Amino acid sequence: GAVVSQHPSWVICKSGTSVKIECRSLDFQATTMFWYRQFPKQSLMLMATSNEGSKATYEQGVEKDKFLINHASLTLSTLTVTSAHPEDSSFYICSASGTTDTQYFGPGTRLTVL
Amino acid sequence: GESVGLHLPTLSVQEGDNSIINCAYSNSASDYFIWYKQESGKGPQFIIDIRSNMDKRQGQRVTVLLNKTVKHLSLQIAATQPGDSAVYFCAENAGWSGNTPLVFGKGTRLSVIA
Repeated sequence: GAVVSQHPSWVICKSGTSVKIECRSLDFQATTMFWYRQFPKQSLMLMATSNEGSKATYEQGVEKDKFLINHASLTLSTLTVTSAHPEDSSFYICSASGTTDTQYFGPGTRLTVL
Repeated sequence: GESVGLHLPTLSVQEGDNSIINCAYSNSASDYFIWYKQESGKGPQFIIDIRSNMDKRQGQRVTVLLNKTVKHLSLQIAATQPGDSAVYFCAENAGWSGNTPLVFGKGTRLSVIA
């Protein structure tokens, strides 16, 4: 149980384009989902907290207009990187929590912006 | 989040030996702690958790110790195997709820020498 999936697992895009990443809780309802980014050899950095049916809460320094988050259902949250640039290249990871305290992580999405 | 972008410390252990990975947490109000294992190119995988009303918890081949006095957490892996090679992160939660973001430590890379 407690499986979280992400799609796509990797994506390469041109600078200036937008990329959407999906995060799904497969066997539980996720009232809250979190989005992180991780640079090589570094820890996870929280970008935003997303509650189903409400606006996401962004961490300081994260541009909400650039990283659009939608959590329209209890099993799906999406992160859209708008007008992507090479500095947005990173490993994006979502996590989800339901009725317990534990957060379960997705497998991550590797974004490369050319 | 409060995670810091530093290069990861590395722990090298001989196969079959026990491993001890340490973590210092920052928030004395944190009441729930989790250890995650992250293999290269994958999302973090839940290993074991512990609440602040406990000082020790055991799982399969793993033990977590919590010392609230000095705000220190450790993960012990018995009979370390090559498959244990990964980066290990501790995470703390001050909200007593899965809806509260986790704060991640900087991580430790465990290398198992066969």
